[in-house]
Amino acid sequence: SQQGEEDPQALSIQEGENATMNCSYKTSINNLQWYRQNSGRGLVHLILIRSNEREKHSGRLRVTLDTSKKSSSLLITASRAADTASYFCATDHNDYKLSFGAGTTVTVRA
Amino acid sequence: EAGVAQSPRYKIIEKRQSVAFWCNPISGHATLYWYQQILGQGPKLLIQFQNNGVVDDSQLPKDRFSAERLKGVDSTLKIQPAKLEDSAVYLCASSPSGNTEAFFGQGTRLTVV
Repeated sequence: SQQGEEDPQALSIQEGENATMNCSYKTSINNLQWYRQNSGRGLVHLILIRSNEREKHSGRLRVTLDTSKKSSSLLITASRAADTASYFCATDHNDYKLSFGAGTTVTVRA
Repeated sequence: EAGVAQSPRYKIIEKRQSVAFWCNPISGHATLYWYQQILGQGPKLLIQFQNNGVVDDSQLPKDRFSAERLKGVDSTLKIQPAKLEDSAVYLCASSPSGNTEAFFGQGTRLTVV
């Protein structure tokens, strides 16, 4: 079963703007991961945040985790055309299965 | 470092035929995953191996799907017989262990007609 649910389903922004997407899950996690998928390609790992962490940064990406609300957010700052892709959160529960949500499709307009 | 290799990249078969997909994970990775991704949806876990043992196959339609991991390295996923609803991209991924980042292959796009 798919644990994470991303919101919104789709997002369209202008180049240079920030993009924020959210992920909610149902049961306690070991860690939460964000992946990017360009059209017709495999998934690429972006960031992993563990259950005892609250925030992580990687380049223009910022991920937050609120375990009390069972939610996470991914912020992409100063977006570029190359950021156009689908973004998925994946939850790793204590059983070590990696379960993906339905994703957020981000379109960055030039 | 070589990535996760999958073959074939594309496959078109008629319903009721059989098909097999192959995956070669990153060397030394103990965990191997097979996911099914239907167009417009997120990846759905079909089966997870830890070395050559099955950790989870609760969402694998066992009446038609089978998978094995040879000597804890390469893996094959087979569908027999295929149905129209099996049309999807089949993704293989591997990770050093079960609670770290996963590395994905390019996937096999299956079309059942």
